[in-house]
Amino acid sequence: EAAVTQSPRNKVAVTGGKVTLSCNQTNNHNNMYWYRQDTGHGLRLIHYSYGAGSTEKGDIPDGYKASRPSQENFSLILELATPSQTSVYFCASGGLGGQDTQYFGPGTRLLVL
Amino acid sequence: QQQVRQSPQSLTVWEGETAILNCSYEDSTFDYFPWYHQFPGESPALLIAIRPVSNKKEDGRFTIFFNKREKKFSLHIADSQPGDSATYFCAASAYTEGADRLTFGKGTQLIIQP
Repeated sequence: EAAVTQSPRNKVAVTGGKVTLSCNQTNNHNNMYWYRQDTGHGLRLIHYSYGAGSTEKGDIPDGYKASRPSQENFSLILELATPSQTSVYFCASGGLGGQDTQYFGPGTRLLVL
Repeated sequence: QQQVRQSPQSLTVWEGETAILNCSYEDSTFDYFPWYHQFPGESPALLIAIRPVSNKKEDGRFTIFFNKREKKFSLHIADSQPGDSATYFCAASAYTEGADRLTFGKGTQLIIQP
């Protein structure tokens, strides 16, 4: 069974603070993704990675950084959090070399005050 | 810019009817079209997917119809059940060596009335 976990599951941050969202996958997938989900916008891709050490910008990367230190871990970093970044964030992993299924984590609810 | 358009935004059908959800795309290089569903409080999960070598893909009560010429694809849910109530996202991707990324539609909230 595919397994993608995220931490924390809920986070309250202050404007201007630094937030790090973590994702771990045990699927041995090369590809990992960070999305945010907002009502009326669906799932929007922030950053993705195709292996350890790589990060790529998605459709809405501004205000976010990503880090992929290992095959299993992919982090999303908000250096200076803003209220507009209040959202639900999903991490996903997927196989390489074709359009494989993406397996999503349970999500992180972030509230920036 | 939105490359995958999904309609309707919300849809209510009676139990036993066929629900039809629609998507269109612009990028002619797209060659993989999955549908994900998401139940309240849960994360998205793959439901069914199609590649344009075929214009139809069936999996039980769920069928994708694909029209390459018009750049449209749709999800038909036959004999819909209250348990099918969820948000459905269509998506599309073009194969890119090294990583494949999906572009999602904005979703259709489907409600099945008993």
